[in-house]
Amino acid sequence: GAVVSQHPSWVICKSGTSVKIECRSLDFQATTMFWYRQFPKQSLMLMATSNEGSKATYEQGVEKDKFLINHASLTLSTLTVTSAHPEDSSFYICSAATYNRGFGETQYFGPGTRLLVL
Amino acid sequence: DQQVKQNSPSLSVQEGRISILNCDYTNSMFDYFLWYKKYPAEGPTFLISISSIKDKNEDGRFTVFLNKSAKHLSLHIVPSQPGDSAVYFCAASDSGTSYGKLTFGQGTILTVHP
Repeated sequence: GAVVSQHPSWVICKSGTSVKIECRSLDFQATTMFWYRQFPKQSLMLMATSNEGSKATYEQGVEKDKFLINHASLTLSTLTVTSAHPEDSSFYICSAATYNRGFGETQYFGPGTRLLVL
Repeated sequence: DQQVKQNSPSLSVQEGRISILNCDYTNSMFDYFLWYKKYPAEGPTFLISISSIKDKNEDGRFTVFLNKSAKHLSLHIVPSQPGDSAVYFCAASDSGTSYGKLTFGQGTILTVHP
């Protein structure tokens, strides 16, 4: 159980275009989803917290107009990188949170999306 | 401000021996801790977690220990297997103020030699 999928797994695009990444929880409902990015040899950096039916909460330094997040249902969140530039090239990972009885909210991660902007 | 620290960037262990991965935190509000395993170009895989009301949680070959007074947790893998070779991240959350939001350490690369 607790499987999270991401699509696409990798994408190459031209500078100035927009890219949409989907994150789905396959066998559970997630009221909260998270979006991270990871640069080479660095830790995961939280970009935003996405709650179903409400606006996403962005971390400091993350441009909300550049990284549009939509959490349309309890199993789907999307991240759109608008007007992508080479510096946006990174590994984007989503996670979906579900409650582990006796422990707390546990995040399960998708496989990630590699974005390369030329 | 690195609130979760994994001070060892890498660890090398012989197959069959114990692997001990360490993690320190500074935020006393953290009350839930998790360990994730990650392969290159993949998302992290959840391994094991522990609530601050406990000091030990065991799941098969994986045991997590929590020392609240020292703000330290560790992950023990016994016996270590070559397939355990990966990057291990510890993460912490404060369920009181930012429910579910995780703060990650920098990761430790574990290599298990046959």
